[in-house]
Amino acid sequence: NAGVTQTPKFQVLKTGQSMTLQCAQDMNHNSMYWYRQDPGMGLRLIYYSASEGTTDKGEVPNGYNVSRLNKREFSLRLESAAPSQTSVYFCASRGTDMNTEAFFGQGTRLTVV
Amino acid sequence: EDKVVQSPLSLVVHEGDTVTLNCSYEVTNFRSLLWYKQEKKAPTFLFMLTSSGIEKKSGRLSSILDKKELFSILNITATQTGDSAVYLCASPGGSNYKLTFGKGTLLTVNP
Repeated sequence: NAGVTQTPKFQVLKTGQSMTLQCAQDMNHNSMYWYRQDPGMGLRLIYYSASEGTTDKGEVPNGYNVSRLNKREFSLRLESAAPSQTSVYFCASRGTDMNTEAFFGQGTRLTVV
Repeated sequence: EDKVVQSPLSLVVHEGDTVTLNCSYEVTNFRSLLWYKQEKKAPTFLFMLTSSGIEKKSGRLSSILDKKELFSILNITATQTGDSAVYLCASPGGSNYKLTFGKGTLLTVNP
């Protein structure tokens, strides 16, 4: 039972470098999400995708782009990393039946120096 | 804009104490409220609440929803050191796709 798989688990970038965080789910969920988590800030929504082919901004989208490649995969791209993007990133997926919970990947710890 | 507010933000108790964590929400087209536990890794699901006044229970943890006053509480009785974690609540609002989390309550249980 893979659930939600995120890669990589750890990454160190230099300021200005770019990278893509990958996320895939095998639960046939329609909705997928990217969150960042900073100390004392809970989970803040970066972008979400209600279904294949659609994406929407969350609370903190600046500096990020996303792609919903197909129903399984939802990637997050940092085009020009900044130290303020140092954080732990979580991908999640959720079915869109009336009431369902979200399932999370194991997280990516990103440090931008 | 949808809002989920948790209180307190942190709490320190002794083993055996009972704690109550609070979550208030303002979301359009409310459907459900979710509770998660997070211990240094990904959040794990605890409860989903959809109806007022119906308690959900799992061992020493229980939760209830008040849709009139727009809040939920999570109770933990006879706390143990293994209950130390961040507890998060969340609610899907609007079209049911956007899932908004609160800032979490950091619970520390000392032996």
